[in-house]
Amino acid sequence: SQQGEEDPQALSIQEGENATMNCSYKTSINNLQWYRQNSGRGLVHLILIRSNEREKHSGRLRVTLDTSKKSSSLLITASRAADTASYFCATDATGGSYIPTFGRGTSLIVHP
Amino acid sequence: DAGVIQSPRHEVTEMGQEVTLRCKPISGHDYLFWYRQTMMRGLELLIYFNNNVPIDDSGMPEDRFSAKMPNASFSTLKIQPSEPRDSAVYFCASSLGTQLYNYGYTFGSGTRLTVV
Repeated sequence: SQQGEEDPQALSIQEGENATMNCSYKTSINNLQWYRQNSGRGLVHLILIRSNEREKHSGRLRVTLDTSKKSSSLLITASRAADTASYFCATDATGGSYIPTFGRGTSLIVHP
Repeated sequence: DAGVIQSPRHEVTEMGQEVTLRCKPISGHDYLFWYRQTMMRGLELLIYFNNNVPIDDSGMPEDRFSAKMPNASFSTLKIQPSEPRDSAVYFCASSLGTQLYNYGYTFGSGTRLTVV
C-alpha cells in the first residue's frame, strides 16, 4: 500500500502560474523525496527533504515539510509548458528499510 | 554515463510465454530496484538488490516472477508463465547507497509489457 498520497490527482494551469502539489503520509518518516515523470519515461529525482528540515529550494522548486501534519508540498513557480508531467512523492518510514514508497502521483498540465 | 539502460522498451507476448526484462544499472551503483507501474496500483517495488544480493523480494507478486543479478552490471526480471494481468510498465532503478540522500534513485526508461 502507498505510504504517500498526492493531492490533487490532476492539475491544469496556464504557463507562468504557480503549481502546488501536496503529499500526505501515514507514519513517521526519515525523509521525503519528489520525483517527476514525463510521459513514457522513467522517474527523475527532483529534491529530497529530511525529516528535520522544514523547507528546501532548488531553482523554481520549493518543498515544505510539516511532520506534525504528516504532509509535504511541492511548489513550482512560474510554470512552463515543459513542466507538464506527473509528480510523485516518495517516503521511507522510520524503522523501515530506508527504501521509499511512492504515491500515485499528481498529473500536471501546463498550457502554453 | 548513459544512465540506467533497460531492454526491451516494448514487449508484446502471448499469455503463457516466458518474458525476460533486462537492466544495466549505472556503473558503481550498489543498489538495484525493480518496480512495476500500473494505473490501478501505481508504482510498486517488486525486489531490490544490494551488492548483487537480493535483499527484499516481498513485493514479487507470485512465484511466476523471479529476478537475478549475476553481476554488478546486469539484472533480469523473468515472468514465467506470463498472464494478461502482468501487463504494466516495469522500471529498473539504481542508486549509490552513500549518495541516496543527495541524488535519490536513477530510473531507466522502462519496459512496457503487454500480455495478450
